[in-house]
Amino acid sequence: DADVTQTPRNRITKTGKRIMLECSQTKGHDRMYWYRQDPGLGLRLIYYSFDVKDINKGEISDGYSVSRQAQAKFSLSLESAIPNQTALYFCATSDSTGRGTEAFFGQGTRLTVV
Amino acid sequence: AQSVTQLGSHVSVSEGALVLLRCNYSSSVPPYLFWYVQYPNQGLQLLLKYTTGATLVKGINGFEAEFKKSETSFHLTKPSAHMSDAAEYFCAVRPYSSASKIIFGSGTRLSIRP
Repeated sequence: DADVTQTPRNRITKTGKRIMLECSQTKGHDRMYWYRQDPGLGLRLIYYSFDVKDINKGEISDGYSVSRQAQAKFSLSLESAIPNQTALYFCATSDSTGRGTEAFFGQGTRLTVV
Repeated sequence: AQSVTQLGSHVSVSEGALVLLRCNYSSSVPPYLFWYVQYPNQGLQLLLKYTTGATLVKGINGFEAEFKKSETSFHLTKPSAHMSDAAEYFCAVRPYSSASKIIFGSGTRLSIRP
């Protein structure tokens, strides 16, 4: 089983609909992140959470919200989806206890807004 | 603010040739540095990382990178390219601060010519 699991893997939704992307992890990490990937733009940080009570906006948080339901669960919501939110979304986790620890990624959710 | 610049959105080399993917960062203090690889329809996988100590870091699949503080660079190399190396490669940084997040470059797509 994957250490970082994203659901769904693919989703097509209509403009104006609310949609939630879910992420769960079994790595025991305290930090979780949501990124979106667009061709030529790399990965851009949407939101990140350093623990259950610590949520922070990233560089492109407008139009998105998140919820850290537990240490292992971090969900991303699009309150009213628009076509330019069509992208590949990644959840990632990292551990704050080690030095220079890297992020571990889920397989991604491909979201299409029509 | 931290930033990461990857020179060349697309690099093409012949099988057996040297691979060189460039990454420069901006930071007043050397950060932790990472290279990730993304194969088609997959998430990101860590290739290698620099934390402290030896500036030449070896990773998986024959890749290595050298941290050069004076040049604020962390270029990725592989002596002999293989067809299976075709993928997208991302450089990333994370400052030493405990409250730091991971910032990614825009990515470089590596193509291998037979």
